[in-house]
Amino acid sequence: GENVEQHPSTLSVQEGDSAVIKCTYSDSASNYFPWYKQELGKRPQLIIDIRSNVGEKKDQRIAVTLNKTAKHFSLHITETQPEDSAVYFCAASKGGGQGAQKLVFGQGTRLTINP
Amino acid sequence: DTGVSQDPRHKITKRGQNVTFRCDPISEHNRLYWYRQTLGQGPEFLTYFQNEAQLEKSRLLSDRFSAERPKGSFSTLEIQRTEQGDSAMYLCASSLRASGTGELFFGEGSRLTVL
Repeated sequence: GENVEQHPSTLSVQEGDSAVIKCTYSDSASNYFPWYKQELGKRPQLIIDIRSNVGEKKDQRIAVTLNKTAKHFSLHITETQPEDSAVYFCAASKGGGQGAQKLVFGQGTRLTINP
Repeated sequence: DTGVSQDPRHKITKRGQNVTFRCDPISEHNRLYWYRQTLGQGPEFLTYFQNEAQLEKSRLLSDRFSAERPKGSFSTLEIQRTEQGDSAMYLCASSLRASGTGELFFGEGSRLTVL
C-alpha cells in the first residue's frame, strides 16, 4: 500500500522567513496530494492541494510543488507569520480528488514561527 | 449545519471494556471516514463508507473494531475489549464525492484513554 514519508518532523523559522516541508510517496498511482494544517487541540483543515496533472499551485503565501518522477511534493510558506505555527500533514491518495478516497498521511511537521 | 460532530469528545475506560463513538457528518456528504491519531503522528486510516456501504477497512484494524453507518447518515465506531494501545484520538471526517474537490472535513475527534 501507499506510504508517505514527511520531513522534517520539526521546523523553526524566524517570522518573515520561508518554510519548506517535504514529502515522498511510494505508490506511483497516487494522483492527489493535499496538505492539512492542525493547530493545537483543533481539527485538521485543508490548506492547499494539488493533482498530478499540474506541477505547482499557489494560494497567496502558500505553494505546493509536485515532482511525479521523483514521487515527492513540497509545501512552501513564504513571509511566515506567528499564526502559521501549527502541525502540517501531507497526504496522498489515488482518488484524483473526486470526493477523496482513502488519504494516507505523513507523520507531520511541527512548524514554529519565532517572533 | 456547522460541520462534522463527534460524541463523546473524551472517554476514559478500563481495559477490557467496550466503547462506542458516534460521528454525525455534514448532512449532504455521502462519504464518511474514520481515522486514528496518536500523539506526534499523522492520522491513520481505519475505514470509510460511501453512503451505508463500507468500502474499505484497514488491514491494521483488528476484529475488535467495528464501524457502521446504517442509514448512510451518522456512523458509529465500536471498540470491544479495549486495550491500552487503543488510547488515541479517533477522528471522523466526511466528504462529498461529487464535489469536485478532495477536501475531507474533520470533526474535533473523540479522545480515548484506556487505563
